[in-house]
Amino acid sequence: KNEVEQSPQNLTAQEGEFITINCSYSVGISALHWLQQHPGGGIVSLFMLSSGKKKHGRLIATINIQEKHSSLHITASHPRDSAVYICAVNSGGYQKVTFGTGTKLQVIP
Amino acid sequence: EAGVTQSPTHLIKTRGQQATLRCSPISGHTSVYWYQQALGLGLQFLLWYDEGEERNRGNFPPRFSGRQFPNYSSELNVNALELEDSALYLCASIRTSNSPLHFGNGTRLTVT
Repeated sequence: KNEVEQSPQNLTAQEGEFITINCSYSVGISALHWLQQHPGGGIVSLFMLSSGKKKHGRLIATINIQEKHSSLHITASHPRDSAVYICAVNSGGYQKVTFGTGTKLQVIP
Repeated sequence: EAGVTQSPTHLIKTRGQQATLRCSPISGHTSVYWYQQALGLGLQFLLWYDEGEERNRGNFPPRFSGRQFPNYSSELNVNALELEDSALYLCASIRTSNSPLHFGNGTRLTVT
């Protein structure tokens, strides 16, 4: 079993829909990251969380440390949100970073 | 501030050759991570360097190696290249465990 599990693996949504991507992890962490990877490879850091909730524009990230679970929400989705969304956690004494396998999102006009 | 830079952008090698990939982290970042992303697959952890030391390595054969220089830049070497080494190699740097990850744009290695 992977230390970081994401669901769903693939997601297709209509423009305007509310989207939720989930991330569960099995280890103690110091921080959790949500990343966005567009076709072509470039990866952008969206959020870094250690507790609670963060919001940036139409994106909201939450984390429940007790349940070892985080969610990324996208409100009023748009085709430009189409990308792979990756959850990553910092764990271990030497700041080991472990990645989920990603959620491929396609938003259709 | 300048982001994480990787070079070269693209690299084409033949089977059996050696490849050297380079990464310069953001100024002030001492930790560098290397990842392999093969076509259609997620990020696979390769190597982690911090303060010039190799701290951890992923499940890759010894022909994948690297080092970190005193200025915290890093080099990934892949010896005896195999066709399945063709992938996007990404470097990321981080200042501390409570800082955002910063990625370079990657080096796309093609082995023919």
